[in-house]
Amino acid sequence: NAGVMQNPRHLVRRRGQEARLRCSPMKGHSHVYWYRQLPEEGLKFMVYLQKENIIDESGMPKERFSAEFPKEGPSILRIQQVVRGDSAAYFCASSPLGENIQYFGAGTRLSVL
Amino acid sequence: QKEVEQNSGPLSVPEGAIASLNCTYSDRGSQSFFWYRQYSGKSPELIMFIYSNGDKEDGRFTAQLNKASQYVSLLIRDSQPSDSATYLCAVRKAAGNKLTFGGGTRVLVKP
Repeated sequence: NAGVMQNPRHLVRRRGQEARLRCSPMKGHSHVYWYRQLPEEGLKFMVYLQKENIIDESGMPKERFSAEFPKEGPSILRIQQVVRGDSAAYFCASSPLGENIQYFGAGTRLSVL
Repeated sequence: QKEVEQNSGPLSVPEGAIASLNCTYSDRGSQSFFWYRQYSGKSPELIMFIYSNGDKEDGRFTAQLNKASQYVSLLIRDSQPSDSATYLCAVRKAAGNKLTFGGGTRVLVKP
């Protein structure tokens, strides 16, 4: 039973480029969450999605960041025109319908040069 | 006031002793409480969850919840060097599914 799969594990981008982070939830899980962990800081909620729906995006920066969870395929967190301050670990978590126990993937560590 | 507060530590504990970690939260409507363990450079790993007042035990771990005092704690009995990690307290409010995390408590278990 595979866990939450995230890729890539490490991503290096230059300022101004786009970053795409992918997350496949655990089998049978229909809820996906994205969190960001800045260096030496705690985990901060970004967005909560179900298939084809954004349920809560209260933690998403207003500009450059977007997320989707299409009917087929993984959830994508997209960061346009990256800046050095976007360097962080981005974690995806998933939970099954009717439960709120969230299981985390290994994360994507984004470095912006 | 932060929504979820933890002492950042480090909490230094001799091997075999009990480690006691505390967490307070500000929203009285919070319903679910979680403890995650995070090793350096790794992802959070669920240790315990608790929904009702009182104690919940799982192996060497005990979670304690006191909603009146807005306080949740984690006890680690017979601490081992492999328990050395950062422990994150997370809270889910009544409305919504997102988790709000504390800053974490770093625990060091010394042989």
